[in-house]
Amino acid sequence: NFMLTQPHSVSESPGKTVTISCTRSTGNIVSYYVQWYQQRPGSSPTNVIYEDNRRPSGVPYRFSGSIDSSSNSAFLTISGLKTEDEADYFCQSYDLSHVVFGGGTKLTVL
Amino acid sequence: EVQMVESGGGLVTPGGSLRLSCAGSGFTFNDHSMNWVRQAPGKGLEWVSSISSYSNDKYYADSVRGRFTISRDNAKNSVYLQMNSLRVEDTAVYYCARDPRVFGDLLYGMDVWGQGTTVTVSS
Repeated sequence: NFMLTQPHSVSESPGKTVTISCTRSTGNIVSYYVQWYQQRPGSSPTNVIYEDNRRPSGVPYRFSGSIDSSSNSAFLTISGLKTEDEADYFCQSYDLSHVVFGGGTKLTVL
Repeated sequence: EVQMVESGGGLVTPGGSLRLSCAGSGFTFNDHSMNWVRQAPGKGLEWVSSISSYSNDKYYADSVRGRFTISRDNAKNSVYLQMNSLRVEDTAVYYCARDPRVFGDLLYGMDVWGQGTTVTVSS
């Protein structure tokens, strides 16, 4: 099975931009879509990016996703940070027989 | 409104069994594959199992294969997770989550998640 590796935590100031990485251990990152989920404390996860770079309705334009085949990584970028963006973020992908989540990144907006 | 409501969690001793249920509403249930995902206390998300629209395909994480069984009853708009031979490390909040595609094949991801049901395995 493959793994998805994320930084354990990131922090940035309100109004700034932050990027969270998600690196796939084996298999090509472009072969299977990557999704991103936001989870605030005490709440269920919600989808903020699907199919690498698409935003569900209702998700602000400040959230964007991208893929870099050279590093076999996916990225979640949040611009114009707000305190309400403080949460855990999980990337997720799959292969022919398994779904895999990254370990999660705790975003602190201070 | 698309909604998933889980039930069936509780306290069980190691080696015991539990059956989780998830009722979907606000969408055509049998059009969508369904997933179970769990989260141990203070930990990240872990995929558990997935089932296709008409139960033709079932997938399991290595950590639960042979102990857990996923099933669904489209007439009742429900998906189930039968958990046997439970271990302390199965303690988690179990979420039910929908695959957003209509008749999507293979695995993919999730859009709408339930509120979760808590399973505690302890002696």
